[in-house]
Amino acid sequence: DSGVTQTPKHLITATGQRVTLRCSPRSGDLSVYWYQQSLDQGLQFLIQYYNGEERAKGNILERFSAQQFPDLHSELNLSSLELGDSALYFCASSVASVGLYNEQFFGPGTRLTVL
Amino acid sequence: TQLLEQSPQFLSIQEGENLTVYCNSSSVFSSLQWYRQEPGEGPVLLVTVVTGGEVKKLKRLTFQFGDARKDSSLHITAAQPGDTGLYLCAGPLIYNQGGKLIFGQGTELSVKP
Repeated sequence: DSGVTQTPKHLITATGQRVTLRCSPRSGDLSVYWYQQSLDQGLQFLIQYYNGEERAKGNILERFSAQQFPDLHSELNLSSLELGDSALYFCASSVASVGLYNEQFFGPGTRLTVL
Repeated sequence: TQLLEQSPQFLSIQEGENLTVYCNSSSVFSSLQWYRQEPGEGPVLLVTVVTGGEVKKLKRLTFQFGDARKDSSLHITAAQPGDTGLYLCAGPLIYNQGGKLIFGQGTELSVKP
């Protein structure tokens, strides 16, 4: 158990819908990261928040947005869903924003299926 | 184009055999992490290597970071069925903004009893 929690575990929805994925970081961690894992693309970085502020952005679609709240939990919002958005979405957390030993610990993931 | 190339992509061996997984890049990384992932679960951090030329051992697993910090390897001695899983290398590029990790595509290891 990494200490990172994600809900829900599974999500099945239809094209065009909007969903929210939730992540709680390990106690004491200030950074939260979101990654998408699909069979053809592997693990891809989406976005990072540090202590409530956006710190780094990957190839995150405009239909996707995220935020980190004062209690440090984070939410990833996916809207106008398409079939191709079906994937595993992982949240990771770390103590700092950057650093040589800024190790990231991953949650169990949310499996999103868009029908 | 994959920034971190892992090889081989698939490996099926018998219990007791040795194996090496490679992670190569033309870019310099601040550090390299190795993760192991089981189906439907999140990646689990195995080790972080930071210094060029660094070697770290974790029981039967040996990790090495290249001198130029562009490549890494994972060697498993006397593999066991419990070693089965997806092995991923990942790291932050030296010129990274934030803590973004670049992942290799993974090596799927199957150890048969």
